[in-house]
Amino acid sequence: EDQVTQSPEALRLQEGESSSLNCSYTVSGLRGLFWYRQDPGKGPEFLFTLYSAGEEKEKERLKATLTKKESFLHITAPKPEDSATYLCAVQGWGTSGSRLTFGEGTQLTVNP
Amino acid sequence: NAGVTQTPKFQVLKTGQSMTLQCAQDMNHEYMSWYRQDPGMGLRLIHYSVGAGITDQGEVPNGYNVSRSTTEDFPLRLLSAAPSQTSVYFCASSYSGLAGKSSYNEQFFGPGTRLTVL
Repeated sequence: EDQVTQSPEALRLQEGESSSLNCSYTVSGLRGLFWYRQDPGKGPEFLFTLYSAGEEKEKERLKATLTKKESFLHITAPKPEDSATYLCAVQGWGTSGSRLTFGEGTQLTVNP
Repeated sequence: NAGVTQTPKFQVLKTGQSMTLQCAQDMNHEYMSWYRQDPGMGLRLIHYSVGAGITDQGEVPNGYNVSRSTTEDFPLRLLSAAPSQTSVYFCASSYSGLAGKSSYNEQFFGPGTRLTVL
């Protein structure tokens, strides 16, 4: 059974204070690891897909990295508009179709 | 493209009532799925479909039915609503994901339906 654990549950930063969110996973053959952003009252919005250990992807102030056991979402010099819940999900080769297993998310608050 | 659309946005039901949550996508995606999101539980898969006429159960299927008669639509039916089904429901779609390492695996989510069962 695929499992995803995200930490911390909540993170409060000052504007400009860089930090990282963690996603630990177990999966029977990683097909892809996904990061999503979710704003209150809205559906998850796709950010990144990572496929193999050592891979990195960047988008504005966000950078996602991947090892064989975990992924990090690094946030550099965050702004208040980066406040959201960040979700991590995995897809394994043993799953049917595009089935994803999600973590519970990290709620990020960036204060001005 | 409208992407993934869901109706209604909000719904209040009484215990025992039935209803259908609608989901539609205009991206010609083969894969569609329904999730529920509850505090402390994350997103959990209810049912999914890999194409028209093909559906399968996810992690928490009890109390829900689905059908997929067209590529575009994937309705979720609550047969006899219970308070435990109070949740936010999200529909998602993607290409089949069978292309391996490609952007085809990305799932796009709808805006959600907030359901309260009294």
